[in-house]
Amino acid sequence: ETGVTQSPTHLIKTRGQQVTLRCSSQSGHNTVSWYQQALGQGPQFIFQYYREEENGRGNFPPRFSGLQFPNYSSELNVNALELDDSALYLCASRGDPGDYEQYFGPGTRLTVT
Amino acid sequence: DQQVKQNSPSLSVQEGRISILNCDYTNSMFDYFLWYKKYPAEGPTFLISISSIKDKNEDGRFTVFLNKSAKHLSLHIVPSQPGDSAVYFCAASGGGGSQGNLIFGKGTKLSVKP
Repeated sequence: ETGVTQSPTHLIKTRGQQVTLRCSSQSGHNTVSWYQQALGQGPQFIFQYYREEENGRGNFPPRFSGLQFPNYSSELNVNALELDDSALYLCASRGDPGDYEQYFGPGTRLTVT
Repeated sequence: DQQVKQNSPSLSVQEGRISILNCDYTNSMFDYFLWYKKYPAEGPTFLISISSIKDKNEDGRFTVFLNKSAKHLSLHIVPSQPGDSAVYFCAASGGGGSQGNLIFGKGTKLSVKP
């Protein structure tokens, strides 16, 4: 059984640029959520995708957007990067939106300079 | 306003002893609670969970206790091992219209000394 994978591992961007992060869900999982973890904080929910549609969103501005593909993999896009966007971005998958346990990937460390 | 709070940023325990990690929450609509363990440079790993209709769940060395009236849960690790040294996150789900997202505390860093 393949776990959640994310790419890239690390990324450095300049303020104002755009970034795309990628996630492959665990085998058999159709629901993907994205979280932002700032230094010293717990992960914070960004949004969730199910059946290629966003079906839940946390308190993040519209410049955070995403996609889910037919194979359940997902992308997180962030436009107009700000210094405060520097964080660890985590992708989590679960078998069904009704499942409580979510399984996380290793994360992408984004640094905005 | 933090809905899930882990008030101890760190905890140090001797190998073989019990580790007790605490978590408080404010939203009485939460119906499911989870504990995750995180090593540096890795994503959080699911450890154990408990439904709000139960007050205890056990899995090997790990036991989670839930006190709904106090809005408090705790994770007990017995006996503690050096490999348990990690950051532990408490998370809650539910809360009306949450559509399954998890709300995390800030974590407690556990150090188990040989």
